[in-house]
Amino acid sequence: QKEVEQNSGPLSVPEGAIASLNCTYSDRVSQSFFWYRQYSGKSPELIMSIYSNGDKEDGRFTAQLNKASQYVSLLIRDSQPSDSATYLCAVQGNEKLTFGTGTRLTIIP
Amino acid sequence: DADVTQTPRNRITKTGKRIMLECSQTKGHDRMYWYRQDPGLGLRLIYYSFDVKDINKGEISDGYSVSRQAQAKFSLSLESAIPNQTALYFCATSDLSQGRAFFGPGTRLTVL
Repeated sequence: QKEVEQNSGPLSVPEGAIASLNCTYSDRVSQSFFWYRQYSGKSPELIMSIYSNGDKEDGRFTAQLNKASQYVSLLIRDSQPSDSATYLCAVQGNEKLTFGTGTRLTIIP
Repeated sequence: DADVTQTPRNRITKTGKRIMLECSQTKGHDRMYWYRQDPGLGLRLIYYSFDVKDINKGEISDGYSVSRQAQAKFSLSLESAIPNQTALYFCATSDLSQGRAFFGPGTRLTVL
């Protein structure tokens, strides 16, 4: 079982709709959770961090964490073409930061 | 100026050559990481370091070595490069308090 799992996609969403990205993790002692956006050929860019159960909102982005289910998600409201990218889920345990393989998101104008 | 820099940005080399990738940061973070990225495989951790005297292997450390010369500098070496080490390599730093990682621009390495 991979430590951090994501659906690789591609996920296609119409412009203006809500994009929903999901991630599960295996290490129950994980403490910190992150979503990164990566454009093709570029480095990952941190867009959201979440540390406790529940929802965290930042502009059009909402991160959701459920530690009991070992599940973290990212919602993107009012999706824009500029949101087309690969989204990486990352989980911080006691030591290392582990990434999922990423979900490729395409926003259709 | 960029907070995390990597040199070189691109490198083409031949099988058997020794290669060093360098990473410097001005963020003042203690934690530094080296990842490689391959299509469909995401970011895989090669080595990580929590301070100058603390070096740890990641999931794919075979064929690689690292050196933490100072808090701000973390180098990755390929002692004898092979073609399956062709990949995009990223250095990252993170803050201890919240664990957020910040990435360098990446080094595209091609081994012929």
